[in-house]
Amino acid sequence: RKEVEQDPGPFNVPEGATVAFNCTYSNSASQSFFWYRQDCRKEPKLLMSVYSSGNEDGRFTAQLNRASQYISLLIRDSKLSDSATYLCVVNMAGGGADGLTFGKGTHLIIQP
Amino acid sequence: EAQVTQNPRYLITVTGKKLTVTCSQNMNHEYMSWYRQDPGLGLRQIYYSMNVEVTDKGDVPEGYKVSRKEKRNFPLILESPSPNQTSLYFCASSSQGPEDEKLFFGSGTQLSVL
Repeated sequence: RKEVEQDPGPFNVPEGATVAFNCTYSNSASQSFFWYRQDCRKEPKLLMSVYSSGNEDGRFTAQLNRASQYISLLIRDSKLSDSATYLCVVNMAGGGADGLTFGKGTHLIIQP
Repeated sequence: EAQVTQNPRYLITVTGKKLTVTCSQNMNHEYMSWYRQDPGLGLRQIYYSMNVEVTDKGDVPEGYKVSRKEKRNFPLILESPSPNQTSLYFCASSSQGPEDEKLFFGSGTQLSVL
């Protein structure tokens, strides 16, 4: 069974702290990886793609570990507005949106 | 503005009364998909379409129908809704290229079946 696993949380983190969470995937042939952000009852939105070499976008860093089959998301200097659910998305079918498999999400709460 | 438009945003209905949730995208995307989201279960795919007149079942297709007569529209049809179809529904689209799997989501439809 193809699966994408995430710790559901919630992660309660003080404002300004650094927080990181992982996502594991079962299919070693998975081709591409993404982090989506979803606010309560709103549509998911792409936060960042995850490249083999890792990538950074401002306070956010995403990394891929193919050997251990997980991806990670690190948020530095966390803001109240970072409170959301972060969805790990993995393409397990070799290409195209059809193969995208969603994790159930990690709920992050940034506290003042 | 590039967007996926879903309607209605909220819908309350009764068991057995047929309903349609509309989805339209203005990005000329080939790929469109429907998901439902339930607490503790995450996003689950209902149906998807690779192009006009091509539709396929996702993980949870029972009780749903779709059609893709035009590239921009992908309505979700519940012929005889039941309470277990109470859920938050999202339509999404993508250009389908292997390097462009970014999904654009509609704003969601909260459906309650009484």
